Amino acid sequence: QKEVEQNSGPLSVPEGAIASLNCTYSDRGSQSFFWYRQYSGKSPELIMFIYSNGDKEDGRFTAQLNKASQYVSLLIRDSQPSDSATYLCAVTYTGNQFYFGTGTSLTVIP
Amino acid sequence: DAMVIQNPRYQVTQFGKPVTLSCSQTLNHNVMYWYQQKSSQAPKLLFHYYDKDFNNEADTPDNFQSRRPNTSFCFLDIRSPGLGDAAMYLCATSRDSGSPETQYFGPGTRLLVL
Repeated sequence: QKEVEQNSGPLSVPEGAIASLNCTYSDRGSQSFFWYRQYSGKSPELIMFIYSNGDKEDGRFTAQLNKASQYVSLLIRDSQPSDSATYLCAVTYTGNQFYFGTGTSLTVIP
Repeated sequence: DAMVIQNPRYQVTQFGKPVTLSCSQTLNHNVMYWYQQKSSQAPKLLFHYYDKDFNNEADTPDNFQSRRPNTSFCFLDIRSPGLGDAAMYLCATSRDSGSPETQYFGPGTRLLVL
């Protein structure tokens, strides 16, 4: 069973703070890791992906991957009210299937 | 430019009345996916196509079928919708290049069953 676990939240942070979102996965064969943002009633949109251990930065977003601990995180710096959404972690293995976590709800308080 | 298009955006059907949802893509991706997402839940993969090769998830009910007549189009058929099938249905595509590529999602079709 390939499981992807996320804390459902809600996570609340003040505007300008750093939001930290976490995801763990069960299968060590996991290859690729994705973070999606989903606004209520909308489809997921890709924020960033990471394949290798370490950090990957893209603007205000940083993804961190630790394969030994089976852990991937997303940091959002200088959080804005427009960042309020559900953040989905997705994991892929060999083949084409994507496995999603249930998402963490983030609220950025002005 | 729209890349993954889903029609209709909202669909209302009656209990037991067949319904078809459609998805088209302009990305020329060889993999297409259908997901079901209920409120506050993760997207659940129903099936995916690698070109014309159909891959059904083990727990996808027989009530759900799919067709992919060509690279650009993919359809989801729900033969006898039940109240529990009310959900957002998401179509996605990816390009298989030997390692998993990111998925691109359509806007979704929200299905209501009366």
